[in-house]
Amino acid sequence: NAGVTQTPKFRVLKTGQSMTLLCAQDMNHEYMYWYRQDPGMGLRLIHYSVGEGTTAKGEVPDGYNVSRLKKQNFLLGLESAAPSQTSVYFCASSYSSGRQPQHFGDGTRLSIL
Amino acid sequence: QQPVQSPQAVILREGEDAVINCSSSKALYSVHWYRQKHGEAPVFLMILLKGGEQKGHDKISASFNEKKQQSSLYLTASQLSYSGTYFCGTENAGYALNFGKGTSLLVTP
Repeated sequence: NAGVTQTPKFRVLKTGQSMTLLCAQDMNHEYMYWYRQDPGMGLRLIHYSVGEGTTAKGEVPDGYNVSRLKKQNFLLGLESAAPSQTSVYFCASSYSSGRQPQHFGDGTRLSIL
Repeated sequence: QQPVQSPQAVILREGEDAVINCSSSKALYSVHWYRQKHGEAPVFLMILLKGGEQKGHDKISASFNEKKQQSSLYLTASQLSYSGTYFCGTENAGYALNFGKGTSLLVTP
């Protein structure tokens, strides 16, 4: 069982470059989430989706865009990367609302120079 | 709004007990607990729903006091494998969770 798969696992960018992080889940989950994790800050929600074609802002959405064109995929884009976006990014999915367990991917470690 | 976890860190000897607390300033509908080992993804432990229930999983259990807007995670007879960072995630009647900053737990031989 693959569960939640994130690609890439590591990436180094230069300031101003753009990139897309891909999250794919094979559990037929409706809800998907993007978090960033910084030392001492816990997990902070960037954007989330409650179904195919929907997206919503989380706690720290600035500088990021997302798309959910297919139920199984949730993409996170950085249009113009900044050093402040250096972080570990986790994708998660859940069957439905906040009352269902979230299943996390292994994370993407992103460094922006 | 981010829930507050306490303590921030705790060191135990194998076999000792620990309690991790999670409190919110807003009404809670559910509380999640996750454990994350260094360099790995968070792993789900349990959910507590509104109703004050207590749950258990092996020697790890949790309680939820909705009136006080608090949850506590109890680790009894700790094992080396319990080491990691524990996060609570709170739901305030919405689609997403707010996670605390985490409690680092180290169990030593």
